[in-house]
Amino acid sequence: LAKTTQPISMDSYEGQEVNITCSHNNIATNDYITWYQQFPSQGPRFIIQGYKTKVTNEVASLFIPADRKSSTLSLPRVSLSDTAVYYCLVGGRPSGAGNMLTFGGGTRLMVKP
Amino acid sequence: SAVISQKPSRDICQRGTSLTIQCQVDSQVTMMFWYRQQPGQSLTLIATANQGSEATYESGFVIDKFPISRPNLTFSTLTVSNMSPEDSSIYLCSALPDRGRDGYTFGSGTRLTVV
Repeated sequence: LAKTTQPISMDSYEGQEVNITCSHNNIATNDYITWYQQFPSQGPRFIIQGYKTKVTNEVASLFIPADRKSSTLSLPRVSLSDTAVYYCLVGGRPSGAGNMLTFGGGTRLMVKP
Repeated sequence: SAVISQKPSRDICQRGTSLTIQCQVDSQVTMMFWYRQQPGQSLTLIATANQGSEATYESGFVIDKFPISRPNLTFSTLTVSNMSPEDSSIYLCSALPDRGRDGYTFGSGTRLTVV
């Protein structure tokens, strides 16, 4: 399973765009990149998943360069409620036993008024 | 996406006793997982629980300490046995829906304090 490296923490202000970059130099060919958000006293919540190039949904965008050794989660116009820990995970879609999620340290995002 | 109901949400237990945590998924899932999370820390995988087979434990976790049941495709339990204060943590279950593209779903966690 590929190891991921993220900044430990980031600060931002309401209305700004936040970009969190994750390094995963040992990503395998069949690995997907997935980001999760976790609020205190809650389990992680799926944000977005991608394999290459760019993926966008209603809450975020995920940018993946051609070499796939890194990825960037982009949160447009953050609000105070986006204050949370964001985890980048790398792994294949499960096709049987043994393909589970390995969590790195995560990035603690603090959005200020 | 699937919804997981996890209970209890929290408990305070005496050392030497056992606690069973339950997770109910609102749809059938092949794979379920159990994690432990110390406050302010990341998640550590305890084991993978597939219906119809023995759970697979990660390094540092053993079946005698953390027995897991997976009686059907919507339910799983994790028991923390013979507890000590070092077992105080948040325990979370997770599942990957067999269909859909929204990744893994997590329960809200069980905050366990052993005194």
